[in-house]
Amino acid sequence: GENVEQHPSTLSVQEGDSAVIKCTYSDSASNYFPWYKQELGKRPQLIIDIRSNVGEKKDQRIAVTLNKTAKHFSLHITETQPEDSAVYFCAPRSGGDQKVTFGTGTKLQVIP
Amino acid sequence: EAGVAQSPRYKIIEKRQSVAFWCNPISGHATLYWYQQILGQGPKLLIQFQNNGVVDDSQLPKDRFSAERLKGVDSTLKIQPAKLEDSAVYLCASSFQGGRETQYFGPGTRLLVL
Repeated sequence: GENVEQHPSTLSVQEGDSAVIKCTYSDSASNYFPWYKQELGKRPQLIIDIRSNVGEKKDQRIAVTLNKTAKHFSLHITETQPEDSAVYFCAPRSGGDQKVTFGTGTKLQVIP
Repeated sequence: EAGVAQSPRYKIIEKRQSVAFWCNPISGHATLYWYQQILGQGPKLLIQFQNNGVVDDSQLPKDRFSAERLKGVDSTLKIQPAKLEDSAVYLCASSFQGGRETQYFGPGTRLLVL
């Protein structure tokens, strides 16, 4: 199966600073790259995704960048707010069998 | 639009007992997923259905876990017999189709095996 890694595993930032989380994957045929946010005790929710034919996508304070050659994609959060505190998961989808593999998660803490 | 429904929300059982979880996906969503999420870890896919056919069950412990999706709508996941290490949150998700579409998650069933 696909090998998916996230870095860092934990991240603390001051409110207003930026946060970047990186996800590396092994399947070069992967073609869909979403990021999910999971608040404590709640279900994962999609916050942004990108397809393999696009290098970058932005939605207000959140952006995702994709480097298919290096097989990694990153989540960027600017002007962080306390409500951004959560665990973030990447979940690349392999191109052949469309199998989803979730990363190990990054716990983001935004300090007011 | 109603979201993904799951029941029960919580379940406590003793090891070697049986348990079943139910999921009702969003109307019109052909693809349904069952995940196991152990505390502090990411969701692990157990089984993926496309309509009522199984697309992927490579990580389903088939000696004790079973799942079905009758008529391509609702689904049940069963554990028999349960082990201590089965304690986790069981998440159901659905998507419009199994390609690149967004997955919508249900609230999950929190299972504690004593």
